[in-house]
Amino acid sequence: GESVGLHLPTLSVQEGDNSIINCAYSNSASDYFIWYKQESGKGPQFIIDIRSNMDKRQGQRVTVLLNKTVKHLSLQIAATQPGDSAVYFCAENRAGGGNKLTFGTGTQLKVEL
Amino acid sequence: NAGVTQTPKFQVLKTGQSMTLQCAQDMNHNSMYWYRQDPGMGLRLIYYSASEGTTDKGEVPNGYNVSRLNKREFSLRLESAAPSQTSVYFCASSANTYNEQFFGPGTRLTVL
Repeated sequence: GESVGLHLPTLSVQEGDNSIINCAYSNSASDYFIWYKQESGKGPQFIIDIRSNMDKRQGQRVTVLLNKTVKHLSLQIAATQPGDSAVYFCAENRAGGGNKLTFGTGTQLKVEL
Repeated sequence: NAGVTQTPKFQVLKTGQSMTLQCAQDMNHNSMYWYRQDPGMGLRLIYYSASEGTTDKGEVPNGYNVSRLNKREFSLRLESAAPSQTSVYFCASSANTYNEQFFGPGTRLTVL
């Protein structure tokens, strides 16, 4: 079936290093993608989004890359900080489906001091 | 500006009981959503309302009903709670389609 999945359930990085979180999607009709951060006990928080007519978008310390050829999405976090420790979800919006997001299962990012 | 608020924060129900989860947003958003999140999983869409006066089913609507009371409020009702509905429920809103969704803090529901 169609799904949004993540390659790694847990990612551990040293403080100050760059983090890369990957996401695969299977629906070629998806045209909008979002990354969310969820801290324990809280609701998801928007990080960055990208539309399918782009292959890269940058924010503050974060970059999202979209490779439509292989249906792959990644989130890069520069100079990872302890406050970045959280679960990260990618979500896709399928064209023509309204704003119904399909979420992946999440990657736990752990920042080691 | 409180964003998206949800009540209650926690709730314990017995099988067969009913309850309504409340959600309100003060950002003048058109679209609102209800999700559930089970342990170790991503969020799954239960119902959504693209605009005031409309509601549509999401991925997992069975056992739930919704009401878009006005532009600000979107409630989720469990008519006869079941243990399978034990979950954390999140409400979200967005300005329009293809805009980021803003999430509330969640309601942690346990059905015994």
